[in-house]
Amino acid sequence: AQSVSQHNHHVILSEAASLELGCNYSYGGTVNLFWYVQYPGQHLQLLLKYFSGDPLVKGIKGFEAEFIKSKFSFNLRKPSVQWSDTAEYFCAVMPTGGGNKLTFGTGTQLKVEL
Amino acid sequence: GAVVSQHPSRVICKSGTSVKIECRSLDFQATTMFWYRQFPKQSLMLMATSNEGSKATYEQGVEKDKFLINHASLTLSTLTVTSAHPEDSSFYICSARQARLENEKLFFGSGTQLSVL
Repeated sequence: AQSVSQHNHHVILSEAASLELGCNYSYGGTVNLFWYVQYPGQHLQLLLKYFSGDPLVKGIKGFEAEFIKSKFSFNLRKPSVQWSDTAEYFCAVMPTGGGNKLTFGTGTQLKVEL
Repeated sequence: GAVVSQHPSRVICKSGTSVKIECRSLDFQATTMFWYRQFPKQSLMLMATSNEGSKATYEQGVEKDKFLINHASLTLSTLTVTSAHPEDSSFYICSARQARLENEKLFFGSGTQLSVL
């Protein structure tokens, strides 16, 4: 069975600071990878996803993530955060080929201060 | 940490039968629970939002008579797929929101893989 680890549970940054949220997964086969965001009072939104091809994936709102297969990692980055990026971020993994079981990490709460 | 328990993890049923999926928050009160559906090669799709003691709010395109959601208590929400058909085969996952003083925290169930024959 697959698992996902997000090591940063709470992150506090000042506006314009750079962001990197860690995500590591455990699974023996190939996977699809996702980053979702939940803004206060809203439901999940997809930030970006990796299925195949270029391991550097660009998403909405200036976010990007890099899939490093050898490290089983899919870290989320943003060069300069804004106050509006305050939210909870979830990494998720789904094995390819047969079934579509999605497993989420425990989430990282990001607070951006003015 | 808080845990959301979702059962069953996998169910295979015949076409025309109904299937109930439970989502329980084990050590916190979940004022809001969300039900999602995952299709292969796609991102999660929100089906509905349920608040304890009130009717669920369904997303556009989701049939509320087919996907019955009940949120009878602060720790339990159920999704019933009525008269299931093969096209309902999918991965369903719930999440529960724990309201806190400073912010909200979302927890996910482990999901249910539904296969309708």
